[in-house]
Amino acid sequence: NAGVTQTPKFRILKIGQSMTLQCAQDMNHNYMYWYRQDPGMGLKLIYYSVGAGITDKGEVPNGYNVSRSTTEDFPLRLELAAPSQTSVYFCASSYSTEGSGELFFGEGSRLTVL
Amino acid sequence: DQQVKQNSPSLSVQEGRISILNCDYTNSMFDYFLWYKKYPAEGPTFLISISSIKDKNEDGRFTVFLNKSAKHLSLHIVPSQPGDSAVYFCAASGDDYKLSFGAGTTVTVRA
Repeated sequence: NAGVTQTPKFRILKIGQSMTLQCAQDMNHNYMYWYRQDPGMGLKLIYYSVGAGITDKGEVPNGYNVSRSTTEDFPLRLELAAPSQTSVYFCASSYSTEGSGELFFGEGSRLTVL
Repeated sequence: DQQVKQNSPSLSVQEGRISILNCDYTNSMFDYFLWYKKYPAEGPTFLISISSIKDKNEDGRFTVFLNKSAKHLSLHIVPSQPGDSAVYFCAASGDDYKLSFGAGTTVTVRA
């Protein structure tokens, strides 16, 4: 079972570059999420989606964009990378809403912006 | 503003003994609480949850206790095993279903 798959696992960007973190799930979950985890902090929600074609901002959306063209895929786009975006990014999915059921997480993508 | 706080960044316990992880929250509207476990280089995985209508939920070696008046919950692991060495995140949600996570507690189980 693949579950939630994230690519790449590691990436180094220069300031001002752009990139897309890919996320795919094979559990037919409607709900998908992007979190970031900074050292010594809990996970912060960046964006989420309740179904194909529907996305919404989370707690820390600035500097990011998302799209949800299919149920399976939920890519996160970083435009004009900044050192403050150095973090570990987790994609997750769930059958029901975020706070009422179990989230299934990917393995994470470690991004460094220099 | 951290609404969920795990004030102990780390915990070391001997194999076979009890591990007690603590979590405090400030939002009285939270009514559902979860614990996630995370190994290095992996994503968090769901461990156990409790709703505000209960004060205890048990699943094998893991028990979560909720004290609503104190806005406090704890996770007990009995007996602790080497495979329990991981980071444990406390999370909470209210009627908006948005999750707030604590910063995590790193548990090390000594042989």
